[in-house]
Amino acid sequence: SQQGEEDPQALSIQEGENATMNCSYKTSINNLQWYRQNSGRGLVHLILIRSNEREKHSGRLRVTLDTSKKSSSLLITASRAADTASYFCAPELSNFGNEKLTFGTGTRLTIIP
Amino acid sequence: DTAVSQTPKYLVTQMGNDKSIKCEQNLGHDTMYWYKQDSKKFLKIMFSYNNKELIINETVPNRFSPKSPDKAHLNLHINSLELGDSAVYFCASSHGTGRTGELFFGEGSRLTVL
Repeated sequence: SQQGEEDPQALSIQEGENATMNCSYKTSINNLQWYRQNSGRGLVHLILIRSNEREKHSGRLRVTLDTSKKSSSLLITASRAADTASYFCAPELSNFGNEKLTFGTGTRLTIIP
Repeated sequence: DTAVSQTPKYLVTQMGNDKSIKCEQNLGHDTMYWYKQDSKKFLKIMFSYNNKELIINETVPNRFSPKSPDKAHLNLHINSLELGDSAVYFCASSHGTGRTGELFFGEGSRLTVL
């Protein structure tokens, strides 16, 4: 069953603006991961936030996690054309760990130069 | 050096045929996976292997038979291919310790069944 659901499905913004993507999930988690997929390529890990963390930063990325609402957000600041990609969240379920990391359909982000 | 490599990258075949996709990782990881990504980009786990042992089989038809000859390899054999098998198949690997952490994905193998 699909666990991580990203919202919106698609997002287009001007270069230099900030992009925010959201993720909702259904059951308790160990952590939540975000991945990027460029067109025609494999997924690349971006950031992992543990269930006891509320916010994490990595370069231009900021991830928040609200376990009470079972939701997470990914913020990309000062977007660049190279950020054009699909972004997936992957909740790591408490019962399974990363043996059964589940993904959704992603948010397709387009950065307009 | 490619960390997780899959071959072939593209595969076009007729319904009813049997085909295989190979995967190798040089990261020294204990756990390997096969994922299927459909045309809507939904990425669904199929199998997880830890130290050559199957640990997750996510209700995949038995026409799909994974084989792990050693920790570094996980191959996927598909019998009697159907139109609905058309998708991109991704191999991935991760450290097995603690059952947590990031996955490293290959570049995908696009299977088209005609």
